[in-house]
Amino acid sequence: KAGVTQTPRYLIKTRGQQVTLSCSPISGHRSVSWYQQTPGQGLQFLFEYFSETQRNKGNFPGRFSGRQFSNSRSEMNVSTLELGDSALYLCASSFRDGFYEQYFGPGTRLTVT
Amino acid sequence: GQQVMQIPQYQHVQEGEDFTTYCNSSTTLSNIQWYKQRPGGHPVFLIQLVKSGEVKKQKRLTFQFGEAKKNSSLHITATQTTDVGTYFCAGPPSDSGGYQKVTFGTGTKLQVIP
Repeated sequence: KAGVTQTPRYLIKTRGQQVTLSCSPISGHRSVSWYQQTPGQGLQFLFEYFSETQRNKGNFPGRFSGRQFSNSRSEMNVSTLELGDSALYLCASSFRDGFYEQYFGPGTRLTVT
Repeated sequence: GQQVMQIPQYQHVQEGEDFTTYCNSSTTLSNIQWYKQRPGGHPVFLIQLVKSGEVKKQKRLTFQFGEAKKNSSLHITATQTTDVGTYFCAGPPSDSGGYQKVTFGTGTKLQVIP
C-alpha cells in the first residue's frame, strides 16, 4: 500500500505571496491532518479534515486554510506569507476521524524569504 | 491551553544502556500516542495507549500510561544505534467534547554512542 504523499517537497516563496500544499492520504484513509514543525515551536496541529469537513482547527491565524476533496486528497493554503511561516509542513492520514494512529507523509519544506 | 512537556529534552547514551523519556500533560488525556522521528525524516507511529495504568511492550520498548492519564513514559532497554531519533508523545484532552485537538510533546532527542 502506498504511503502518504506530499507535493511539492521543497518550496521557496517570498514574503507576501501565497502557497498551496497538497497531500494524498493512504488509500482508504478518510481523515487528513496537517501539522507545522519548526525547531522553536515543535510539532503544532493545524487542522483535521474528515469526509471533506473540517473537524478541528489549531491555534493558527486565518491565513492558514485547507480543504479536502471527495477522494480524500487535501490541500493547505497559506496566504500573505510571513518569514515565520518557514517550516516543515506535515500531512498525516488516518482511517478514522479524531486522533488515532496517524501515518505521516515526508512533508513539504517551505522557506519564506 | 493544554501543554505537554517531555523530559529530558536531549539524552546521550552509550550503546547498550537503557533510556527513558517522560511525558507530562497539563490536562487529562483521552489517549496518548508515541511517535519516533529519525533525523531528516517524518514522525512514525509507535503505539497508542488508552486505558489508565496501561502498559504495552514492543520488543525492547515499554510504554506506560499513568493512572491519572496525565503522564506517560517510554523506556528502551539496551539501546541500539537504530534507536537514534526524536521521540514525541501526543494526545487530545479528554474534555475535548468529541473534537480532539492534539498537542504534541516537546520531544526527547536520543543520541546513541556506539
